[in-house]
This record gives sequence, C-alpha cells and structure tokens, in this order.
Amino acid sequence: QKEVEQNSGPLSVPEGAIASLNCTYSDRGSQSFFWYRQYSGKSPELIMSIYSNGDKEDGRFTAQLNKASQYVSLLIRDSQPSDSATYLCAVRRGSQGNLIFGKGTKLSVKP
Amino acid sequence: NAGVMQNPRHLVRRRGQEARLRCSPMKGHSHVYWYRQLPEEGLKFMVYLQKENIIDESGMPKERFSAEFPKEGPSILRIQQVVRGDSAAYFCASSPSQGEDGYTFGSGTRLTVV
Repeated sequence: QKEVEQNSGPLSVPEGAIASLNCTYSDRGSQSFFWYRQYSGKSPELIMSIYSNGDKEDGRFTAQLNKASQYVSLLIRDSQPSDSATYLCAVRRGSQGNLIFGKGTKLSVKP
Repeated sequence: NAGVMQNPRHLVRRRGQEARLRCSPMKGHSHVYWYRQLPEEGLKFMVYLQKENIIDESGMPKERFSAEFPKEGPSILRIQQVVRGDSAAYFCASSPSQGEDGYTFGSGTRLTVV
C-alpha cells in the first residue's frame, strides 16, 4: 500500500461547481496534512494545512481531516478555470518526519 | 523576501557529465529538502539537510547522488555521471523548523540528459 494515495483524475467540473479532492494515507502516526497546488511546469504552492480532525476553511477552500479513517480531503467552492491544476496531498510522518506526497489529482474546471 | 532560490532553472547535460543544482533557502529557514519529480509523477523525497549536516538521506539513490549544505553558501545537489533516467524536475524546499509547518518550494531545476 502506498503511503499517500490520490485519484490521479483528471477530475473535470464546470465553473461554479464544488470540486472535491480526496486523499488517503497509511501511517496512523501521521500528524500534519497539507494540500499543495501545482500548475503545469511550475513549483508546488502550499494552499492549506490541517492538523486536527474536522474542517478548516480558508476562503473558497475547505480541508477536511478524519484520522480514524485516515482520510483527508479538499473542497473548492465556486470553482474557477484558474483553479485548473494538479493538487498534491502531503502527509508528515509522526511529528518530525518529512513530507510524503501523493501523485496528485489533476483538476480541470471548464468555463 | 526572495523566497527559495534555485539555479539554474534549466540544465542540459550529456550522459556521463556531472550536474550541480543549487538551492538557497528562504531567509530565516535553516532546513532544506530536495525532491525529484518525474513527468506525471508525484514528488519523491530525496534528502533533508541542515547547515553542515545531512539529517535524512533515505530517498537518495545509493550511487552517483550526493548533497551538502555548507556553513556558507547554498545547498548543492550533485549528480555524477548522469544518465537519461536522471532527467526530471528537482525541487528544493525550505522550512524554519522541522515541526508542523509546510514547506516552501523553489521554482525547481529541470534537468535534461541528452
């Protein structure tokens, strides 16, 4: 089982819809969880971090964490074409480990 | 704040040559991480360094690859005797501590081996 798994997509949603991106992880000791956005040919950009069970909202983005199910998700409300990118889920092993990344989900928002 | 600076942005090497990639972390950041990204693949951890110390090199290939972060100057990722399979984007990231923070990534070096 891979440490961090994401559906590679592509996930296609119409403009204005909610995009839902999912991620599962295998290490129960993981403490910190991150979502990065990566445009084609560019570097990853941190958009959300979450450390506790529940929801965390920042503008149009909501991260959700369920440690019991080892599941973290990212919701993007009112999706825009500019949100079209690959979204990478990253998990930190324990409290001091390095970030382990999933392969990413490619999101396409159609006008 | 100039962010994480990587150079060169693009590097072309012939098979058998050496590739040297540089990374200067953000001001105030003392932790540096190197990742490799192959086309259509996720980011693969290579090595974690602090000044003058390699903390975790569990992701580094056993041969041809080395990294350093000297007391003065940038972190260097060195690939000796490059092969076509080394062609990838190499990203450096930095953080102020090895704690809860996420990493800030540089713009990457795209290595092409011909």
